[in-house]
Amino acid sequence: SQELEQSPQSLIVQEGKNLTINCTSSKTLYGLYWYKQKYGEGLIFLMMLQKGGEEKSHEKITAKLDEKKQQSSLHITASQPSHAGIYLCGADNGGGSQGNLIFGKGTKLSVKP
Amino acid sequence: ETGVTQSPTHLIKTRGQQVTLRCSSQSGHNTVSWYQQALGQGPQFIFQYYREEENGRGNFPPRFSGLQFPNYSSELNVNALELDDSALYLCASSKGGGEGEKLFFGSGTQLSVL
Repeated sequence: SQELEQSPQSLIVQEGKNLTINCTSSKTLYGLYWYKQKYGEGLIFLMMLQKGGEEKSHEKITAKLDEKKQQSSLHITASQPSHAGIYLCGADNGGGSQGNLIFGKGTKLSVKP
Repeated sequence: ETGVTQSPTHLIKTRGQQVTLRCSSQSGHNTVSWYQQALGQGPQFIFQYYREEENGRGNFPPRFSGLQFPNYSSELNVNALELDDSALYLCASSKGGGEGEKLFFGSGTQLSVL
């Protein structure tokens, strides 16, 4: 079965610094999603990537899917305290049903003012 | 906010009891998926309902069951609760169809089993 491994598990950065979170899949990715979660709350959709080499940006967050479609990265530029939270990558599990995603364990981001 | 609402927000039950969690999907969405998220883990897919029928199930025992109603709201029922069922339960709605559409998540129900 497919597994997603995220690194690092946790990250503490100074406000204003850049950072990158990685998500590696054991199988080819056909749909890769990035979500953000505040502790104990629901997931907020950030971006979806489907094509090899695809890159998307929203405000100061950029996500990229590599050409081989087995690794994705999420890059935050000039981090702010509002970026703090848990970042989760998810992938279509190939079961044919739309809502069947597998997730990594998440990367906990803390931003120090 | 996503427009997906879950109730209750918190719940405490005793081992062996039964629990029902509720989810109202976002307007225009006909598909609801349920996830279990244990502390420090990513969400795990329980099952999905599309137009009132189960449309995919993860690796969860039959004591986890669900319903979807004509208005596309949904329930998750768990019988014979076990301590390991303590987790955040998330529901997510989407427009329906194949893969590749984003899910809109509710804020979750935190279930504690004592």
